[in-house]
Amino acid sequence: SQQGEEDPQALSIQEGENATMNCSYKTSINNLQWYRQNSGRGLVHLILIRSNEREKHSGRLRVTLDTSKKSSSLLITASRAADTASYFCATDGNDYKLSFGAGTTVTVRA
Amino acid sequence: GAGVSQSPSNKVTEKGKDVELRCDPISGHTALYWYRQSLGQGLEFLIYFQGNSAPDKSGLPSDRFSAERTGGSVSTLTIQRTQQEDSAVYLCASSSSGGYYTGELFFGEGSRLTVL
Repeated sequence: SQQGEEDPQALSIQEGENATMNCSYKTSINNLQWYRQNSGRGLVHLILIRSNEREKHSGRLRVTLDTSKKSSSLLITASRAADTASYFCATDGNDYKLSFGAGTTVTVRA
Repeated sequence: GAGVSQSPSNKVTEKGKDVELRCDPISGHTALYWYRQSLGQGLEFLIYFQGNSAPDKSGLPSDRFSAERTGGSVSTLTIQRTQQEDSAVYLCASSSSGGYYTGELFFGEGSRLTVL
């Protein structure tokens, strides 16, 4: 079953703009992770935020976590054409696996 | 190897035939996962291995699906009597951590299965 749900399903932005996507989940978690998938490829890990953390940065990525609202957001700043991909949130819910959402497809226009 | 390796990358088979998909995880990674991704969809969990044992097989869709892992390394996912609804990309991932806490997963490129 999919624990995380991303919003929006699709996002189109101009190069240089910021992209924000959100993830909501249902049960308590150990951590929440974000992954990127380029078309036809496997998933690549971007960032992990633990349940006791509220914000984390990695390069142009900023992730927030609000456990009271069971939600997370991923912000990509100063987007580039190479950021065009699908982005998935995944939750570790104390059940031996990551549960993935359906993803947000981001298109960055040159 | 440097990353997770999956084979074959593409498999086209006829309905009713059996297929085997192979995953070679990152050396030393004790945890191994199989997921399925249908076109334009998210990832559906299939099975998790810690070493050679599978504590969680809850995601296997039917008894036509089975998986094993030998030597704490290579894993094979077998689908018997394939059906058209089995068509999907099968993704394998490994991790140095596993069990109650799931850390970063390293994914292979996937095996795309098409059942005609």
